[in-house]
Amino acid sequence: QVQLVESGGGLVKPGGSLRLSCAASGFTFSDYYMSWIRQAPGKGLEWVSDISYRGTTVNYADSVKGRFTISRDNAKNSLYLQMNSLRAEDTAVYYCVKESGYDPYWGQGTLVTVSS
Amino acid sequence: EIVMTQSPATLSVSPGERATLSCRASQSVSSNLAWYQQKPGQVPRLLIYDTSTRATGIPARFSGSGSGTEFTLTISSLQSEDFAVYYCRQYNNWPPWAFGQGTKVEIK
Repeated sequence: QVQLVESGGGLVKPGGSLRLSCAASGFTFSDYYMSWIRQAPGKGLEWVSDISYRGTTVNYADSVKGRFTISRDNAKNSLYLQMNSLRAEDTAVYYCVKESGYDPYWGQGTLVTVSS
Repeated sequence: EIVMTQSPATLSVSPGERATLSCRASQSVSSNLAWYQQKPGQVPRLLIYDTSTRATGIPARFSGSGSGTEFTLTISSLQSEDFAVYYCRQYNNWPPWAFGQGTKVEIK
């Protein structure tokens, strides 16, 4: 069955960096666009970034452009999000999402807390 | 990039009453619109796709309508388990697959 397991979250000071990883299994990873979607405490869902099948096309929300970098390694069935210059407003649960039209598949999320 | 706008932000409804949630797209998404329900601590669950098709296991009290840029999710008779946050999302022009900001359905 499909599994997406995020890791790498934690507590970081403002201005710091974190790298999130998502290990995928149960499907042909390279056949799917992948996204990172976040949800701040008590807030709605916010699309952060997405990446095409082979990683040649990437997109970012304006709120993270220039600070975050999405990447993937199809040989390792893994998705990544490098987050630099973190701000308090980046505090959220970050979800790895397998995009498939109307029925995306979500990981369980990893919590990122940016605080001094 | 398509922007999805939901209204109202919060809807206060008594159990057994009808709830009507709206979603507007900044440009036409044809009928490629889905609705999701999210409860605290859970990931979103698919309710409706292709504007009006209920996902597997979704009760008939949930219905969707609309086309183009205006869409509606109706819950005909709210049950206790329906109090949650609802999101619309388009999948006509992607990426990104834009979400609305959500409507919280709370107990009146």
